[in-house]
Amino acid sequence: DTAVSQTPKYLVTQMGNDKSIKCEQNLGHDTMYWYKQDSKKFLKIMFSYNNKELIINETVPNRFSPKSPDKAHLNLHINSLELGDSAVYFCASSHSGTVNTGELFFGEGSRLTVL
Amino acid sequence: GIQVEQSPPDLILQEGANSTLRCNFSDSVNNLQWFHQNPWGQLINLFYIPSGTKQNGRLSATTVATERYSLLYISSSQTTDSGVYFCAVENRGSTLGRLYFGRGTQLTVWP
Repeated sequence: DTAVSQTPKYLVTQMGNDKSIKCEQNLGHDTMYWYKQDSKKFLKIMFSYNNKELIINETVPNRFSPKSPDKAHLNLHINSLELGDSAVYFCASSHSGTVNTGELFFGEGSRLTVL
Repeated sequence: GIQVEQSPPDLILQEGANSTLRCNFSDSVNNLQWFHQNPWGQLINLFYIPSGTKQNGRLSATTVATERYSLLYISSSQTTDSGVYFCAVENRGSTLGRLYFGRGTQLTVWP
């Protein structure tokens, strides 16, 4: 059973298009995240949701819109794709304590290529 | 935000060798995690270690929070240990869930 699953794994699209990536976790976690990994492998948080509420919203263009229909799902929609959006996008989940965050579990990543 | 520095940036080993990877951070943390990204891109959580020492098979990790560093030890390395090792920290007082990642150590193990 895959703990954190995201689809699709690969996306190749033209500049200007809109695309979505879906993520689901079956770990019973209350917090989900989107991370972006650039070509130099640097991982940076984009968004986090706790029980469907947006908690972290980093300096990300508003072309990126996350949506969490329930605490087991977090989707990412990207409008008007640009060349610089090409990256691997990782979904992750964790429990959140009162003092710190629990172990982070990642999905397999979605490689987005914008032509 | 907190600065996270990992060293060395690259490490090449022969199978069977031991290695130590280091993670330094610039401020107090209440959370530190080590991850392995394999050559296929999969990110695996190795340790949740805000302080103290943990062992899991050939891997062990130690975090000395008061001195702002953590070490990951790999003993008797195998080719399957190849990949990038990341540490990530959560700053005391920052928004819950905001983990800052280092730039990683790229490990290559040759047979």
